[in-house]
Amino acid sequence: DQQVKQNSPSLSVQEGRISILNCDYTNSMFDYFLWYKKYPAEGPTFLISISSIKDKNEDGRFTVFLNKSAKHLSLHIVPSQPGDSAVYFCAASAPNAGGTSYGKLTFGQGTILTVHP
Amino acid sequence: SQTIHQWPATLVQPVGSPLSLECTVEGTSNPNLYWYRQAAGRGLQLLFYSVGIGQISSEVPQNLSASRPQDRQFILSSKKLLLSDSGFYLCAWRKTLADYYNEQFFGPGTRLTVL
Repeated sequence: DQQVKQNSPSLSVQEGRISILNCDYTNSMFDYFLWYKKYPAEGPTFLISISSIKDKNEDGRFTVFLNKSAKHLSLHIVPSQPGDSAVYFCAASAPNAGGTSYGKLTFGQGTILTVHP
Repeated sequence: SQTIHQWPATLVQPVGSPLSLECTVEGTSNPNLYWYRQAAGRGLQLLFYSVGIGQISSEVPQNLSASRPQDRQFILSSKKLLLSDSGFYLCAWRKTLADYYNEQFFGPGTRLTVL
């Protein structure tokens, strides 16, 4: 049961243009969402996150949008740079029954972003 | 600042041999610790997590086990490796559950190949 899905295995974008990476989830208990960037043979690097009380969070060139009714989030990178070429994972977290969290993350399959000069 | 270390970086082991991967975190105390595996072409799958010394929770039934002998040390083990254990193993840490909305930080990973 894939609770977090990234339906686009790859995305190719021209340098300077916008990159839009999409992610869908099925578990309505998810209330915290994150995006990670990963280079081959390295650990993922945290990019940006958003809690379910917001619908947008911005950090420099990166903006994450959350549409709770559609159970959809997206990462916008503007402008895209060749150094952004990597695999991007979205992840989601849900609280425990007691309202706390052990921070367990459920990841999507990843989207390979290639930014061409 | 906090850092996370994993070793070895790469490992090639025969089927049936034991496994021990180590992860240590510096610069923080009482972190939540996690082991993930990324199989070829797949996303990251959570294997184990720990909220304190000696406290281990398993997410999926498998051939692996985890231990946390010290506050900032997390070990992934197996008594007998299977071919299906091949993958990229990642350790991660997070501030304690008192601060709910915070991210996990990942180590550099270990590439395990079982032949």
